[in-house]
Amino acid sequence: SQTIHQWPATLVQPVGSPLSLECTVEGTSNPNLYWYRQAAGRGLQLLFYSVGIGQISSEVPQNLSASRPQDRQFILSSKKLLLSDSGFYLCAWGPASGGLNNEQFFGPGTRLTVL
Amino acid sequence: EDKVVQSPLSLVVHEGDTVTLNCSYEVTNFRSLLWYKQEKKAPTFLFMLTSSGIEKKSGRLSSILDKKELFSILNITATQTGDSAVYLCAVGRRGKLIFGQGTELSVKP
Repeated sequence: SQTIHQWPATLVQPVGSPLSLECTVEGTSNPNLYWYRQAAGRGLQLLFYSVGIGQISSEVPQNLSASRPQDRQFILSSKKLLLSDSGFYLCAWGPASGGLNNEQFFGPGTRLTVL
Repeated sequence: EDKVVQSPLSLVVHEGDTVTLNCSYEVTNFRSLLWYKQEKKAPTFLFMLTSSGIEKKSGRLSSILDKKELFSILNITATQTGDSAVYLCAVGRRGKLIFGQGTELSVKP
């Protein structure tokens, strides 16, 4: 069965520091991968998605970047964190077959606090 | 602008009650509508709906989509305290999911 891992689970970082959040998926090949942020409200905002190694689509202009160095690894980064980057970051995967509108399955999330 | 609106935003019921959660959408190039349950951490997948009028059911939960009127409902019968969570609706279009704000359901003993 497929599993998705994220780490760290929680992170407290000062403003201006770098960030690296990692997501890995097991039990599937060539998944579509997604990064979301869930801020103060309850809605999820899509930040990035990837359909393959090295292929990243950005949804909103922001202080963050994403990379996919391996098929089942997705990394969210920042060179200098802002206060507004605080939030709950969720990685998700979806099966590549059938396109990008299949169901998505979420990892446990990383709660980031920028002070 | 694409949008997904859920109602009510919050709801308090007692164990054994039946609840109906609503999700309406205005999304171009609609592909699918998904329901998730979010407790403390990550959302867990409940249903994906692509066709009108076909009910999907899992235990006490069921959902149906109306593509003509652009909405979906999620029903929970005989609610239990373990059903307390935020329920998220999302619509898929062109490679991304657009989420509503969620309905926070609280089930009291």
